[in-house]
Amino acid sequence: NAGVTQTPKFRILKIGQSMTLQCAQDMNHNYMYWYRQDPGMGLKLIYYSVGAGITDKGEVPNGYNVSRSTTEDFPLRLELAAPSQTSVYFCASSKKTGTYNEQFFGPGTRLTVL
Amino acid sequence: GESVGLHLPTLSVQEGDNSIINCAYSNSASDYFIWYKQESGKGPQFIIDIRSNMDKRQGQRVTVLLNKTVKHLSLQIAATQPGDSAVYFCAEKPGSSASKIIFGSGTRLSIRP
Repeated sequence: NAGVTQTPKFRILKIGQSMTLQCAQDMNHNYMYWYRQDPGMGLKLIYYSVGAGITDKGEVPNGYNVSRSTTEDFPLRLELAAPSQTSVYFCASSKKTGTYNEQFFGPGTRLTVL
Repeated sequence: GESVGLHLPTLSVQEGDNSIINCAYSNSASDYFIWYKQESGKGPQFIIDIRSNMDKRQGQRVTVLLNKTVKHLSLQIAATQPGDSAVYFCAEKPGSSASKIIFGSGTRLSIRP
């Protein structure tokens, strides 16, 4: 299993540009998540999904959109990039196990908006 | 609102000594807690977890202690090794959520040779 994969690893955007961060998992996990991590900080939840066709907002959803058309993929869309979106983005997935919720993380995408 | 915080942002430990990383949480309804390790340039990696009906859980060289009375969580690493250098995050799952967890801001652990 490749686990959770993310592309690209790095990206530089100009203000106002758009892009899609890709995330895929091959563990047949129901739940998938997008987090952002600012320097020296913890992870903030942007969006999450409990299954194909179902998405919900996290703590910091503004400026982002997601879709979950398949169990495996959970892309994150930035429509109008802003400098405040400069961050490292992590995708994660987990099985539906009730109380337990071990999340497996991808390697991250480092995004800079200039 | 909900928050998970840490007492110390950095911790320096002599190689071979035990490390103790502390975490305070504010949501008394949280029913599940996790410690993650994040090495430089990588995503967080699960270390150990504990349910709210427990006060201690042991893994390989790691122990998590939960004190619900004061809403405090700690991670103990025995015989700290250079490979333990990383940022450690505690996270909590609110009882109202089946899927979301909330991360704290992290403690950087550095090892002195």
